Amino acid sequence: EAGVTQSPTHLIKTRGQQATLRCSPISGHTSVYWYQQALGLGLQFLLWYDEGEERNRGNFPPRFSGRQFPNYSSELNVNALELEDSALYLCASSEGAGDTEAFFGQGTRLTVV
Amino acid sequence: QKEVEQNSGPLSVPEGAIASLNCTYSDRGSQSFFWYRQYSGKSPELIMFIYSNGDKEDGRFTAQLNKASQYVSLLIRDSQPSDSATYLCAGPTTNTGNQFYFGTGTSLTVIP
Repeated sequence: EAGVTQSPTHLIKTRGQQATLRCSPISGHTSVYWYQQALGLGLQFLLWYDEGEERNRGNFPPRFSGRQFPNYSSELNVNALELEDSALYLCASSEGAGDTEAFFGQGTRLTVV
Repeated sequence: QKEVEQNSGPLSVPEGAIASLNCTYSDRGSQSFFWYRQYSGKSPELIMFIYSNGDKEDGRFTAQLNKASQYVSLLIRDSQPSDSATYLCAGPTTNTGNQFYFGTGTSLTVIP
């Protein structure tokens, strides 16, 4: 069974540009979480989608946005990139809201220059 | 108060010793907890989960859950240098629609 897949693995953008990151959850999983992890720091919660709806978002500016598609895959968009947006962006999926574990993708390393 | 809190460490133990990692949570309705291990530059991987009060053992790892005191812990016996990583506890919280919350992680170094 395929795990959580994220694309691209690496992404280099210039300050002010937009970045789009993609996540395909494990088959049958309806919940998708996005996290930002800057170098040496902990996971910072960005967004939670479940059944196609945004259920919660973390303390990030509106230029961080996303969506979940009918097939439960998800997209994270970051507009007007800033240097401090450089980080590992992790996606995790779970079967749904409830007492089930979440599984992570390998992450997208975003570098803003 | 954060949903899930951990001591950030860092924690250092000699090889062969027991490493003890602790986590507290705020939602009394939470029923299950998960421990993840994250090596530097890699994504977190699930290593243990626990649903019931008491202990759950899996090889060198033991998860402990105390719902009355609202804490969960992970013990690593016979610690190895390969156990050096950041350990995150996590669990869904019923008062937020069962969103999955992660602690900030505890950095563990096992010294050969």
